[in-house]
Amino acid sequence: QVRLKESGPRLVQPSQTLSVTCTVSGFSVTSYHVSWVRQPPGKGLEWVGAIWKGGSTDYNSALKSRLSISRDTSKNQVFLKMNSLQTDDTGTYYCAKLGLYYPSFDYWGQGVMVTVSS
Amino acid sequence: DIVMTQSPSSLAVSAGETVTINCKSSQSLFGSVRQKNYLAWYQQKPGQSPKLLIYLASTRESGVPDRFIGSGSGTDFTLTISSVQAEDLANYYCQQYYDTPYTFGAGTKLELK
Repeated sequence: QVRLKESGPRLVQPSQTLSVTCTVSGFSVTSYHVSWVRQPPGKGLEWVGAIWKGGSTDYNSALKSRLSISRDTSKNQVFLKMNSLQTDDTGTYYCAKLGLYYPSFDYWGQGVMVTVSS
Repeated sequence: DIVMTQSPSSLAVSAGETVTINCKSSQSLFGSVRQKNYLAWYQQKPGQSPKLLIYLASTRESGVPDRFIGSGSGTDFTLTISSVQAEDLANYYCQQYYDTPYTFGAGTKLELK
């Protein structure tokens, strides 16, 4: 069955770089698009970016200068890297699989809660 | 960017009531090629990941109870939950995937009266 699991540090210092890995099973990242969504504590959902099945990427314009999404197709993993972290980057980071023809987010990982603090 | 305006922000209901959540987009989400509205609804319970309820504005995801009904077209959309049950208490979000950046509504918190 389809599964996505995020892994990464729970605590990151301000100005440092966040690296989160999404390991997927039950589908190939070369056959389906994968996206990142984040959620500050007690707040709503924010689309971070996506890596399309062909390998190209799209980013939230507000984060684009600090953001990189990549993948390792041999390991079926997708990576999120965000630099120059600030306290308002604190939140839960989710990876999600997109539907093939109509790209709503049909499967989500459990998320990883990241706190930006010194 | 397409702005999604969701209302109300919170709703207090009793079990068995019917509730309506509204979502308005700043531009049409209707794709002329496939003749579909690129809007989804998600449910998020406390401590859980969001769950897809409705896609293409009105198509229920597999396994979603038929008391969840999505409707609307163009820029105005509605999620109706008929005969609310205790397990439906959650936050609900609309989301457009017509164009990137994909954007979400601010959410509606469904609470028990």
